[in-house]
Amino acid sequence: AQKITQTQPGMFVQEKEAVTLDCTYDTSDPSYGLFWYKQPSSGEMIFLIYQGSYDQQNATEGRYSLNFQKARKSANLVISASQLGDSAMYFCAMREFNTDKLIFGTGTRLQVFP
Amino acid sequence: NAGVTQTPKFRILKIGQSMTLQCTQDMNHNYMYWYRQDPGMGLKLIYYSVGAGITDKGEVPNGYNVSRSTTEDFPLRLELAAPSQTSVYFCASSYSSSSAGGYTFGSGTRLTVV
Repeated sequence: AQKITQTQPGMFVQEKEAVTLDCTYDTSDPSYGLFWYKQPSSGEMIFLIYQGSYDQQNATEGRYSLNFQKARKSANLVISASQLGDSAMYFCAMREFNTDKLIFGTGTRLQVFP
Repeated sequence: NAGVTQTPKFRILKIGQSMTLQCTQDMNHNYMYWYRQDPGMGLKLIYYSVGAGITDKGEVPNGYNVSRSTTEDFPLRLELAAPSQTSVYFCASSYSSSSAGGYTFGSGTRLTVV
C-alpha cells in the first residue's frame, strides 16, 4: 500500500531563514507524483509544488523547492527566506497514477517567528 | 471561473440525522474526490470517482454514500450521522493522471454532529 510519512509534527523557523520539511513515501509503482500543499488557519488547501517520478530535475516554484531523492524515497520541501505568512500546516501528498487518488501525510505545522 | 464549489460551509447535525454535502465543479474534470480532515490530521479519502457513473471507496467510506450522475456534481450523503463524523470535508477534482498538479480543492464544509 502506498504511504506518505511526515515525521515532524511541528517546526519553528526565524523569519528570513530557510527551513526543510521532511517527507518520505512508499510505493511500488514506477510512476507517481509528489505534491506539497499549504493549509493556512483559514483552512483552504493551497498547491505549492509538484514533482513527477520521472522528472530529472528538482522542482522549484519561487521560494519553494523540492529536494527529490528517488533512491531514498524522500521529497523534502525547502522554503527559502521564510516569511511570517508562511506559518501554516504543510502536507506532503502522493498521487497514484492508475486511480489518480491523492494520499496525504499527517502534516507539519510550521511557525515562523520574527 | 468558480472552480470547485461546496455547500454548505458549516452545518450542525444531531445524532441520527442525515444530510447531503454538495460539490460542483465547472472545469470539466473527470476525477472527483471526497476527503475528510479531522483536527490536527491529514486528509483521508472517503470516496472518489473517475467519471460519471463510476465511483469507488477510499480509505474511510463507512457511513457515507456517493453518486456521480453528471461530470459536474459529486454529492456526499451521510446517513445516520454519528459524533465520529464531526470533521471538515473537502471535495476536490482533477484532470487525468498525466498532468502535473491539476487538483482543485473546494473551500470545505465544517460538520459538527452533536
